[in-house]
Amino acid sequence: AQTVTQSQPEMSVQEAETVTLSCTYDTSENNYYLFWYKQPPSRQMILVIRQEAYKQQNATENRFSVNFQKAAKSFSLKISDSQLGDTAMYFCAFMKHEGGGADGLTFGKGTHLIIQP
Amino acid sequence: DAEITQSPRHKITETGRQVTLACHQTWNHNNMFWYRQDLGHGLRLIHYSYGVQDTNKGEVSDGYSVSRSNTEDLPLTLESAASSQTSVYFCASSDPLVGEDTQYFGPGTRLTVL
Repeated sequence: AQTVTQSQPEMSVQEAETVTLSCTYDTSENNYYLFWYKQPPSRQMILVIRQEAYKQQNATENRFSVNFQKAAKSFSLKISDSQLGDTAMYFCAFMKHEGGGADGLTFGKGTHLIIQP
Repeated sequence: DAEITQSPRHKITETGRQVTLACHQTWNHNNMFWYRQDLGHGLRLIHYSYGVQDTNKGEVSDGYSVSRSNTEDLPLTLESAASSQTSVYFCASSDPLVGEDTQYFGPGTRLTVL
């Protein structure tokens, strides 16, 4: 079984600053995906970024990037030039690649990120 | 646009009643999932389905059942609701067979069991 750990229950930064959310995971799998989902107060789960474990290059989506360290089983999310709309819960999630991930996602407990004006 | 919807968005029920939460997706995805979200636990997998007539138990399946009679729908049934099942429920879908590994989520249903 996989476990995902987010060690920062809450973080607060000023608008326009850069912030890094940490995530570590434990698995014996070699092929897998990692995701960051954002959950704003609306409750909707929104995909932020995803990383395939076989890819060495870190994924980037506009202001969002990850630092994927496979050997260390670490998957941190960096948000550059943070904006008020980035205020949300952020969840790190793991999915096995075998079987197309049809056995679901394993989530961390989340980090509540607050962007201060 | 293709989407995934859940109904109702909010539900209050009493202990012991049977409750069914609906999930409908128009992406024609084969894989569908139900999760529950509780404070301090993130999201946890309840049941999932690879396709029509297929259902599988997840991490927290006790007290829940699902059935898949078509591609678009995966209703979640609480046979006899308990206070411990007060939670927010999310449905999701994906289809790796068409290159869609990422799971996309519905808006959630907040269920309160009194």
